[in-house]
Amino acid sequence: DAKTTQPPSMDCAEGRAANLPCNHSTISGNEYVYWYRQIHSQGPQYIIHGLKNNETNEMASLIITEDRKSSTLILPHATLRDTAVYYCILSTGNQFYFGTGTSLTVIP
Amino acid sequence: DAGVIQSPRHEVTEMGQEVTLRCKPISGHDYLFWYRQTMMRGLELLIYFNNNVPIDDSGMPEDRFSAKMPNASFSTLKIQPSEPRDSAVYFCASSFHGNSSPLHFGNGTRLTVT
Repeated sequence: DAKTTQPPSMDCAEGRAANLPCNHSTISGNEYVYWYRQIHSQGPQYIIHGLKNNETNEMASLIITEDRKSSTLILPHATLRDTAVYYCILSTGNQFYFGTGTSLTVIP
Repeated sequence: DAGVIQSPRHEVTEMGQEVTLRCKPISGHDYLFWYRQTMMRGLELLIYFNNNVPIDDSGMPEDRFSAKMPNASFSTLKIQPSEPRDSAVYFCASSFHGNSSPLHFGNGTRLTVT
């Protein structure tokens, strides 16, 4: 079962940073935080993941609080193509349970 | 790399018929996962394999569903007999070594059972 809590929807202006929060207060020590997104009916797309430290790649940044009970996905300059459902998932790497995610709408 | 390949992309069948969905994982990946997505239930993990062996099938809804992985490059999900409530998008995903490695998803098979 999903162990994360995300807001059901968010809006973001095009060109601005999109900050997507995720609560995971029951996270275990060996669980990673993963972020995926799903555009329309395509297969979910991997964005980024981390264990304790903040992570950055070409798509996004992941900020994990020191107690690891919450995290934030940051899309630095949102575009219309970033409109999607974003999923925050905890996993040790063998099982990935998806919750309901956050539907992000980027507004022109 | 061609990514995870699923076939067919769309399947329409009548209630009671057998349905077989196919998946080719990314070469070298040793974990394979089957998911089902509906509006009501979201993305559900049905079953996953490690080195072609089923590890956890607790998400398989009932005995009408079965999955096999005869070799490292091919897996099937079979529904027999199919029912209208099986209508959904079925996704296959694969990963390498599982631990901390991300899943790579295929584009899914949209199944409609009439």
